[in-house]
Amino acid sequence: GAVVSQHPSWVICKSGTSVKIECRSLDFQATTMFWYRQFPKQSLMLMATSNEGSKATYEQGVEKDKFLINHASLTLSTLTVTSAHPEDSSFYICSAWDSRDSPLHFGNGTRLTVT
Amino acid sequence: KQEVTQIPAALSVPEGENLVLNCSFTDSAIYNLQWFRQDPGKGLTSLLLIQSSQREQTSGRLNASLDKSSGRSTLYIAASQPGDSATYLCAVLQGGSEKLVFGKGTKLTVNP
Repeated sequence: GAVVSQHPSWVICKSGTSVKIECRSLDFQATTMFWYRQFPKQSLMLMATSNEGSKATYEQGVEKDKFLINHASLTLSTLTVTSAHPEDSSFYICSAWDSRDSPLHFGNGTRLTVT
Repeated sequence: KQEVTQIPAALSVPEGENLVLNCSFTDSAIYNLQWFRQDPGKGLTSLLLIQSSQREQTSGRLNASLDKSSGRSTLYIAASQPGDSATYLCAVLQGGSEKLVFGKGTKLTVNP
């Protein structure tokens, strides 16, 4: 089945530094990728939608300058958390599909802890 | 605005039991509906995708049904096993949208 690989699976960084998370579709072309954030025991919160070669579309309330999303190819999207603060600590999950008629496939998530 | 509700929020059953998870949505103009499972600390795994023109989909011990007009879907798990323990989420994709709307999930525990 389709696989989405997300790295790193966990990261600890100091406040004020930036962290990059990669999301790769391994066996299909991801025309659209989605980035979610999940708080403990809560459902997923969509942060942004990105299409290959286009600027990401951010959800209301998500700071585009803090959460930089790049979808440079049909198999790779990156999320960079800039100038991270402890309140950015969370579980970030990417997902991708090749079309709306296909299942949405998720990476295994990245646990970010900002100290 | 589409809202997705899953009942119950948590369910505990003995191994071997057949069970049904429920999902309801307020706007019937959906493009498709998807069921996922999420294990603790992991991403989501796609289980079944039902297009709006379909009534059900089956994969192994899982069967998902869709009644678009009444805004309901069910996930039937036959002969449950401890390995089925996870949180199950349903999500709907609206026509004309790229965003899935998720329910809050049902946490299933299958006891050996």
